[in-house]
Amino acid sequence: TQLLEQSPQFLSIQEGENLTVYCNSSSVFSSLQWYRQEPGEGPVLLVTVVTGGEVKKLKRLTFQFGDARKDSSLHITAAQPGDTGLYLCAGADSWGKLQFGAGTQVVVTP
Amino acid sequence: ETGVTQTPRHLVMGMTNKKSLKCEQHLGHNAMYWYKQSAKKPLELMFVYNFKEQTENNSVPSRFSPECPNSSHLFLHLHTLQPEDSALYLCASSQVGQGLETQYFGPGTRLLVL
Repeated sequence: TQLLEQSPQFLSIQEGENLTVYCNSSSVFSSLQWYRQEPGEGPVLLVTVVTGGEVKKLKRLTFQFGDARKDSSLHITAAQPGDTGLYLCAGADSWGKLQFGAGTQVVVTP
Repeated sequence: ETGVTQTPRHLVMGMTNKKSLKCEQHLGHNAMYWYKQSAKKPLELMFVYNFKEQTENNSVPSRFSPECPNSSHLFLHLHTLQPEDSALYLCASSQVGQGLETQYFGPGTRLLVL
């Protein structure tokens, strides 16, 4: 079983601050996905990273896949209240099966 | 309707009741999934259907019974549930066999078992 650990579990920051959340595993993944889940909704895919060391940017969000494809980070610059949500990482094995982490709850207050 | 829809959005049931959760995907996908989401725990994959055939059952208790009549509809029949089954039940769909797979989730059914 590929266990994905996300840290921190909870993060509360003020609008305009930066934050980083982490997703770590002892296993290698073929790809890794980040989802955001807002209250009352299902998770929505933000990005998929495939290559070790890959960095992808989505506006103020920067995603990095570790060189060994075992870990990933999500960095948000100048956070806004709209960034509030549960951030989930999910690693895919070679058959495409997804394993989810427990998520990081991010709260951005005005 | 677009994307993945789920009904009902909220459900309260007693341990002796029988109820069903419904999921419909309007994306033309060939795979559908049921997940259980409990607080502070990873999403737990329950069942997977590819082309209407069940391909995965992750040791789910028999009080949960899935049904997939066609590639657009997925049901989860519930009977004699336990309070620990209270959770958010998420349905997802994806197109399998075309490289990187993205799962599209419905809004979930919030279930409370009394």
